[in-house]
Amino acid sequence: GENVEQHPSTLSVQEGDSAVIKCTYSDSASNYFPWYKQELGKGPQLIIDIRSNVGEKKDQRIAVTLNKTAKHFSLHITETQPEDSAVYFCAAGRPGGGGNKLTFGTGTQLKVEL
Amino acid sequence: NAGVTQTPKFQVLKTGQSMTLQCAQDMNHEYMSWYRQDPGMGLRLIHYSVGAGITDQGEVPNGYNVSRSTTEDFPLRLLSAAPSQTSVYFCASSPRTSGRPYEQYFGPGTRLTVT
Repeated sequence: GENVEQHPSTLSVQEGDSAVIKCTYSDSASNYFPWYKQELGKGPQLIIDIRSNVGEKKDQRIAVTLNKTAKHFSLHITETQPEDSAVYFCAAGRPGGGGNKLTFGTGTQLKVEL
Repeated sequence: NAGVTQTPKFQVLKTGQSMTLQCAQDMNHEYMSWYRQDPGMGLRLIHYSVGAGITDQGEVPNGYNVSRSTTEDFPLRLLSAAPSQTSVYFCASSPRTSGRPYEQYFGPGTRLTVT
């Protein structure tokens, strides 16, 4: 089955700096790569996703890049703000089959310091 | 819309007890899933359903049962609780087609402790 590795497990940045979180996956059949943000005491919430026919996608201060050949994808957050502090999860899946099943990475605790 | 709701928020069980974690969604989503979240292990899929009457196993199904008699509800049953089932449980739903087809909407979670 699919295996997703995520690094780093914790990341501390100064407000206004950029943050980068990296993930690798093992199943070449995976073609959908979402990123979820989880705030304390809440369920994960989708912030951005990318399909395998796209190399990069941007949404305001967040962007995701995908390298299918190397089987890795990354989340980039620019101009970080204190409200970006949360746990971020990457995931990989094959939508449409098996209820949109996802395999998640182990999470990155991002702390944005003032 | 309330989205995905889960009850209870917190639960303490003794080893060997059984209980049901409730999950409901009001978005008419076909797909529903149960995940458990443990420190350092991300979210792992327990069971999922692609529609009423249809369920299947995920990555870590042992010790859990599910059923899906309606589109809205997807309860998770712990048959005989064990300390290894201490975890935070999340229910999620997603639509099968159109719009943002693959987004999973998560509930707020149930924190379960088994002593």
